[in-house]
Amino acid sequence: DVVLTQTPVSLSVTLGDQASISCRSSQSLVYSDGNTYLKWYLQKPGQSPQLLIYEVSNRFSGVPDRFIGSGSGTDFTLKISRVEPEDLGVYYCFQATHDPFTFGSGTKLEIK
Amino acid sequence: QVKLQQSGAELVKPGASVKLSCKTSGYTFSTSYMSWFKQIPGQSIEWIGMIYAGDGGTGYNQKFKGKATLTVDTSSSTAYMDLSSLTTEDSAVYFCARLTAYWGQGTLVTVSS
Repeated sequence: DVVLTQTPVSLSVTLGDQASISCRSSQSLVYSDGNTYLKWYLQKPGQSPQLLIYEVSNRFSGVPDRFIGSGSGTDFTLKISRVEPEDLGVYYCFQATHDPFTFGSGTKLEIK
Repeated sequence: QVKLQQSGAELVKPGASVKLSCKTSGYTFSTSYMSWFKQIPGQSIEWIGMIYAGDGGTGYNQKFKGKATLTVDTSSSTAYMDLSSLTTEDSAVYFCARLTAYWGQGTLVTVSS
């Protein structure tokens, strides 16, 4: 199975500052069709995961432009500029290129 | 808008089975994929499998073959997941998600005698 390694495990950020989360894959996530099926989710406390980014860098409907996904191959990054209180929770990367689909272990974002 | 409403919490005995439901609205159910996920509280998320509502075709994570069975009822736009031979390791929150983008609220399954 593809292993997604997220770092850091937790992150404490001052409101208004930038946060950066890394997701490294044990295999390339480029699919045979040329697309890279890497997504980012935020799971707020007590809620379902909500999709932020799909195919590495595309923001899902309604997601603020403060959320920026980037990367290629095996290395991916989610940057959150100008962190706001509603951004707290656990961030997961997820790959749907290889069967079985897998999640990273999560990065907990806390507000200082 | 797209809505996925999952069935309520379940308390089941070891060895029993349970059927979870995911009732949808706001999109054309029969032309979409539905995935199911497992999350033990405090842990990450696992993908169980997915089903294409158009023809009932399924794909499973090998880990969950024999444990989970996915079905759909297109007449009610509802997806189902049967979990069999339950053990305490199956205690978790189970989510359905359309195209892995739109998620239900989750169903807590507790396996206990």
